[in-house]
Amino acid sequence: QVQLQESGPGLVKPSETLSLTCTVSGGSISSYYWTWVRQPPGKGLEWIGYIYYTGSTNYNPSLKSRLTISVDTSKNQFSLRLSSVTAADTAVYYCARGPASNWDFDYWGQGILVTVSS
Amino acid sequence: DIQMTQSPSSLSASVGDRVTITCRASQSINTYLNWYQQKPGKAPNLLIYAASSLQSGVPSRFSGSGSGTDFTLTISSLQPEDFATYYCQQSYSIPYSFGQGTKLEIK
Repeated sequence: QVQLQESGPGLVKPSETLSLTCTVSGGSISSYYWTWVRQPPGKGLEWIGYIYYTGSTNYNPSLKSRLTISVDTSKNQFSLRLSSVTAADTAVYYCARGPASNWDFDYWGQGILVTVSS
Repeated sequence: DIQMTQSPSSLSASVGDRVTITCRASQSINTYLNWYQQKPGKAPNLLIYAASSLQSGVPSRFSGSGSGTDFTLTISSLQPEDFATYYCQQSYSIPYSFGQGTKLEIK
């Protein structure tokens, strides 16, 4: 059973960079796409971007100028970096597997709340 | 960008009821439409992929239909564990997008 676990700071100061890592267990990171999704408190879901295990990426244009997603296949991890954060970036950040073979997100991490505040 | 609009935004129903949630895309997305269930404090859980295919392990009371711009999620007989928020999501084009959610509450 594939499992994903997000890790990183729960508090980031405005204008700084938010950095999160997703560790994949129970399966290889190879041959799949891996995605980040976020959810502001009490609101809906926003797709952030994905990375293929080879390193190719696709980002949400609304975040592209501030966003970097990377992968480390040797550690079975992928990561998100979002620069110049503001309070609007406060959200639960989820990592997920996909888009999978059916163009869905079939496995998700439990999520991590990141608050942007001084 | 493709906008996904769900209706209703909230819904009150009783155990045993049949419930239908609608999702409309701002342009045709063929059948690149997925449905997720989210309970408070938990990650979304995939229910339906490709508009009408049931994800492994999901009870058969859940079903999906539609293509093009109009889609529905139906729960044939509500169970207590089904009270949650439901999201549709399109994977036809980047940026992938979700509906605003439908909160299903106990009447």
